[in-house]
Amino acid sequence: DAGITQSPRHKVTETGTPVTLRCHQTENHRYMYWYRQDPGHGLRLIHYSYGVKDTDKGEVSDGYSVSRSKTEDFLLTLESATSSQTSVYFCAISESRGETQYFGPGTRLLVL
Amino acid sequence: GEDVEQSLFLSVREGDSSVINCTYTDSSSTYLYWYKQEPGAGLQLLTYIFSNMDMKQDQRLTVLLNKKDKHLSLRIADTQTGDSAIYFCAETRNNNAGNMLTFGGGTRLMVKP
Repeated sequence: DAGITQSPRHKVTETGTPVTLRCHQTENHRYMYWYRQDPGHGLRLIHYSYGVKDTDKGEVSDGYSVSRSKTEDFLLTLESATSSQTSVYFCAISESRGETQYFGPGTRLLVL
Repeated sequence: GEDVEQSLFLSVREGDSSVINCTYTDSSSTYLYWYKQEPGAGLQLLTYIFSNMDMKQDQRLTVLLNKKDKHLSLRIADTQTGDSAIYFCAETRNNNAGNMLTFGGGTRLMVKP
């Protein structure tokens, strides 16, 4: 998976609790992305980063925040998890603008 | 609905060819991709095609692009049981900060022995 790890790989949490997912890369790629995957929707972009401390919203950003304090780590936070955020979350990286994106193994999140 | 559309399901017999189709909407897309996802795994890049090409072949995979109809297809020759997976097409939409991938909903390919 192109030097991309995600943690945790599985998580069960309760509605209203905060959750942070971590994406770590060893490729020194500038761009990092968070997607969620739901049946019938393919993957939808939540947030992305184009450099340290540089982030922007994607298609489905409501209820999520991100942070990137160093090149290798991109964190996705659900401030107060809801059942609609039950999903599989994928991180991706790309070397530069317009380059191919490579995906991590995913984090399966269940919000009860 | 999806901006990028794919049929949900395809079933073929081992050894036959599989053709997975995709339609997209953004005529300015620079790259179009095919990703493969096996159960419980992430997305694996299979192949991609640049928008100024109309065909790309890579071993058993052939990608055809019809820009006029905004239609993309992936042909897998001599399909094997190991090809059973979900296949996603994706188009790129560039903005000022990076390339945004827009995915189709995925086509589940089932290969029967």
